[in-house]
Amino acid sequence: GENVEQHPSTLSVQEGDSAVIKCTYSDSASNYFPWYKQELGKRPQLIIDIRSNVGEKKDQRIAVTLNKTAKHFSLHITETQPEDSAVYFCAATLNRDDKIIFGKGTRLHILP
Amino acid sequence: EPEVTQTPSHQVTQMGQEVILRCVPISNHLYFYWYRQILGQKVEFLVSFYNNEISEKSEIFDDQFSVERPDGSNFTLKIRSTKLEDSAMYFCASTPPGQGLYGYTFGSGTRLTVV
Repeated sequence: GENVEQHPSTLSVQEGDSAVIKCTYSDSASNYFPWYKQELGKRPQLIIDIRSNVGEKKDQRIAVTLNKTAKHFSLHITETQPEDSAVYFCAATLNRDDKIIFGKGTRLHILP
Repeated sequence: EPEVTQTPSHQVTQMGQEVILRCVPISNHLYFYWYRQILGQKVEFLVSFYNNEISEKSEIFDDQFSVERPDGSNFTLKIRSTKLEDSAMYFCASTPPGQGLYGYTFGSGTRLTVV
């Protein structure tokens, strides 16, 4: 079955700097890759997603890149702000209505 | 924006007791899921449900677990005889039919504490 590896497990960046979180997946049939942000005690919230027919997608300060050949994808957050502090999960799935396989999460700390 | 509603928000139960976690998915969604998250760990798939039957389940979803959609709106997860290791946050989720604009919508979760 699908396996998603995520790193780093913890990331601290200075406010205003960029943060990058990287993930790899094992199942080449996966074609939908959502990213979730989870604040303490809250539900995972979808922040951006990408399909396998697209190499890059951007939404304001957040961007995701996908390399299907290498089976890895990354989340980029630019101009980080204190409210970006949270746990971020990458995920992979065959389709939007299929089970989601999550990575182990990255705890992002934005330092003042 | 429509929401997936889960009740209760927190449930404390004695080991060996049965618990039922309740979810009300978004009304036009057709696929329903349960996930769990042990404190500090990743979110793990338990089961998916479509057309009134289980479409897939993980190895976590053993005979102690069952799901039901009793009345066309609620979607429940039952744990027959809870164990200490069942303590976790349980999230319900639903997705619309087809390739809609929105993917998964997670509920706010039920924190289950087994003592």
